Amino acid sequence: EVQLVESGGGLVKPGGSLRLSCAASGFTFSSYSMNWVRQAPGKGLEWVSSISSSSSYIYYADSVKGRFTISRDNAKNSLYLQMNSLRAEDTAVYYCARAIGDTAMVPPDYWGQGTLVTVSS
Amino acid sequence: EIVMTQSPATLSVSPGERATLSCRASQSVSSNLAWYQQKPGQAPRLLIYGASTRATGIPARFSGSGSGTEFTLTISSLQSEDFAVYYCQQYNNWYTFGQGTKLEIK
Repeated sequence: EVQLVESGGGLVKPGGSLRLSCAASGFTFSSYSMNWVRQAPGKGLEWVSSISSSSSYIYYADSVKGRFTISRDNAKNSLYLQMNSLRAEDTAVYYCARAIGDTAMVPPDYWGQGTLVTVSS
Repeated sequence: EIVMTQSPATLSVSPGERATLSCRASQSVSSNLAWYQQKPGQAPRLLIYGASTRATGIPARFSGSGSGTEFTLTISSLQSEDFAVYYCQQYNNWYTFGQGTKLEIK
């Protein structure tokens, strides 16, 4: 069974940093692209970042480019999101999501339950 | 950025009836269109990708159609567990989601 478990969320002040993690199991992690998608409270879904299986290709939404860094450790079956210079508008539930395959721009099929990031003073 | 517009914002349908949800792209996304279902407090669930291919384990009552800029998700006979929010997503040029359609019990 595919499982994705996010951790690392919490309350942080504007301008602060946070590192999210996603532990994957139940599939060959090193064969799939991975994504972070967020959802502000009561709002819709917003794609944040994607990384290919070997980290060769990395993409960011314009809203986070230069502030967030996606990475992965295939030996640890883990995905990460380093978030710096956080703003109030980054407040959201952050989901880790597996892509259907490893080609560019394919949709996520399995999602974790999310971790809440709150940016507030 | 490709803007995805879903309609209606809220759809009221009785159990057992058919529901038709629409999604329009601001420019062609070919067939690179997915549909997701999200229930309160839960993660999204992939229903359809490639505009019309059901994801693993998705019941046959869910079907998708369309290409280019106009897409439709049809639920042929609504079950109680189908009442949720539905999102379309294009993945032709980066990823963008529609604002969602809330499917509620009439």
